[in-house]
Amino acid sequence: TQLLEQSPQFLSIQEGENLTVYCNSSSVFSSLQWYRQEPGEGPVLLVTVVTGGEVKKLKRLTFQFGDARKDSSLHITAAQPGDTGLYLCAGAGFSGYALNFGKGTSLLVTP
Amino acid sequence: EPEVTQTPSHQVTQMGQEVILRCVPISNHLYFYWYRQILGQKVEFLVSFYNNEISEKSEIFDDQFSVERPDGSNFTLKIRSTKLEDSAMYFCASSEGLRNEKLFFGSGTQLSVL
Repeated sequence: TQLLEQSPQFLSIQEGENLTVYCNSSSVFSSLQWYRQEPGEGPVLLVTVVTGGEVKKLKRLTFQFGDARKDSSLHITAAQPGDTGLYLCAGAGFSGYALNFGKGTSLLVTP
Repeated sequence: EPEVTQTPSHQVTQMGQEVILRCVPISNHLYFYWYRQILGQKVEFLVSFYNNEISEKSEIFDDQFSVERPDGSNFTLKIRSTKLEDSAMYFCASSEGLRNEKLFFGSGTQLSVL
């Protein structure tokens, strides 16, 4: 099993602050996906990164895939209360159909 | 916007009983999945389904589990004889393209085995 470690596990910040959360593994992935999950709901895909070193921006969210395709980061600029949620990373192998999820970073943004 | 729908949202059952969890994937999607999330733990892959057959399954997906696409719209997960440790949130997902790109998840069925 390709383990994905996410850090920090919990993060509580004030509105307007910047933050970065991390997703690390010793395994190489063909792609890595970031999801956001709210209580009682299923994960919602934010972005897929495929190429080593790739950077993708989604409004105030910036996603980076490590050069070696083993890790990824999510940076949020000027966090808002609406960003509150559980952020999950999930890696896809080079064969098969399974996504391997990390345990997530639970983010709380207070006004 | 198209979405994956799951029913029921909550299911309570007695240990040893059979349960069927139902899902309606997005209509033009070809790949279907079941994942589960035990409280406080990570989302875990159970099974993927393509072209009316299982394409991959995890170690969790033992003989007690089965999947079926009985018609053109529904995708079901059956647990034949539930155990206490089957209690979890079960998520159905579907994707349009190859393998596991761009999965769309349903809201889940919370299964409680007593």
